Parts: sequence; structure tokens; C-alpha cells
Amino acid sequence: DAKTTQPPSMDCAEGRAANLPCNHSTISGNEYVYWYRQIHSQGPQYIIHGLKNNETNEMASLIITEDRKSSTLILPHATLRDTAVYYCIVRGTTQGAQKLVFGQGTRLTINP
Amino acid sequence: GAGVSQSPSNKVTEKGKDVELRCDPISGHTALYWYRQSLGQGLEFLIYFQGNSAPDKSGLPSDRFSAERTGGSVSTLTIQRTQQEDSAVYLCASSLGLLLGNEKLFFGSGTQLSVL
Repeated sequence: DAKTTQPPSMDCAEGRAANLPCNHSTISGNEYVYWYRQIHSQGPQYIIHGLKNNETNEMASLIITEDRKSSTLILPHATLRDTAVYYCIVRGTTQGAQKLVFGQGTRLTINP
Repeated sequence: GAGVSQSPSNKVTEKGKDVELRCDPISGHTALYWYRQSLGQGLEFLIYFQGNSAPDKSGLPSDRFSAERTGGSVSTLTIQRTQQEDSAVYLCASSLGLLLGNEKLFFGSGTQLSVL
């Protein structure tokens, strides 16, 4: 079972920041938080991941709360091409924990 | 190519037939994963290969499903005596396999399997 909880759907206006929340209250100290997205009919695409500190790359920013029980993915200037299902996943460091366990994700729709 | 390659991209078969799906991971990636995604559903883990270790088969739904990885590179997922409920997109992913939890998985575009 997935160890994360996400809202099933969200809407955001084009050009605005999209903030996608994720709860992972049972996360353990050595587990990373990963975000992937899946655009219709394509394989999932890596976005970003982090352990404790906030992270930023060319695609997004990841804000992890101090207690690590929740996080937020931020797409700073959403475009229509960001419409996709976004998955928040926790992943450990042992061999048995290497597979990504996907939940239902958040279906993000960017509106013009 | 630079990415994970899967073939065929589409496969239509008759109920009861066997099918083989192929995955070519990114060169140098020691970890390989198979997932399937039924229409409108999330991704379901099937099997995971890591180097020479015994594969994690915990996600295979029945003994009709099997997978092998030859020479630590190409993998084949085999479904015997296909059923209509096997219809789905089968996705393959690979990663460096550093066992640190701190690495990306790269996914292929998948094989759309339709069992008539």
C-alpha cells in the first residue's frame, strides 16, 4: 500500500503557482520523498526528490515540513503542459524498499 | 538510445495465448522494474531486478506471469495463457541501482497489451 495521501484532483490557472500537498505521516528517518508525474499515455516522469531539506530544480520546488510528515510540490509558473497526474512517493534505502509504490496521485488540471 | 526502450509498443492477442514483452534499460543501470497500469488506474508494481540478487517478485499477480533479465541488461516479461483482465499498459523502468534511495527511476513509454 502507498504510504502517502494526496487530494484526488486540483485545478490551477495558467501562469500561477501550483501547490500540490502530500501527507506521509508514517515516513521513517531514512525514507526519501519523491515526486513523479504522468502525462496522458506516457510513462511517469521524475520531477524532484528530497530527504529533509527543501529542494529546487528546473522543474519544481519541494518543501518538506520540519517533522517530515508532509510536503508540498510547487510548480512556480504552471503551463498547460503541466496538466498531468502527480504522484508523491516515499522510498527507503534498503533493497526491499527500492520499488516505488504508487498511490492514486493528484490529477492536476491547468486552465487557460 | 538514451532512454528506456520497450517493445512492442502495442500488442493485441487472443485470450489463452502467451505474450512476451521486452525492455531495454538505460546502459549501465543495474536495477530494472516492471509495472502495469490498467485503464484509469495507478501503477501496480510487478517485479524488480537488482544486479545479481534474487528478483523481488512480490507484485506478480499469478503464476502465469514471469520475468527474466539476461546478462544484467534486457528483460522479458512473459504472460502465459493471457486473460482479458491482463489488458493494461506494461511499463518498464531502470535506475543505477545504488541502493541509497537517492536516485531516479527512468520509465519507458510502455507496451499497451490488449487481450481479446
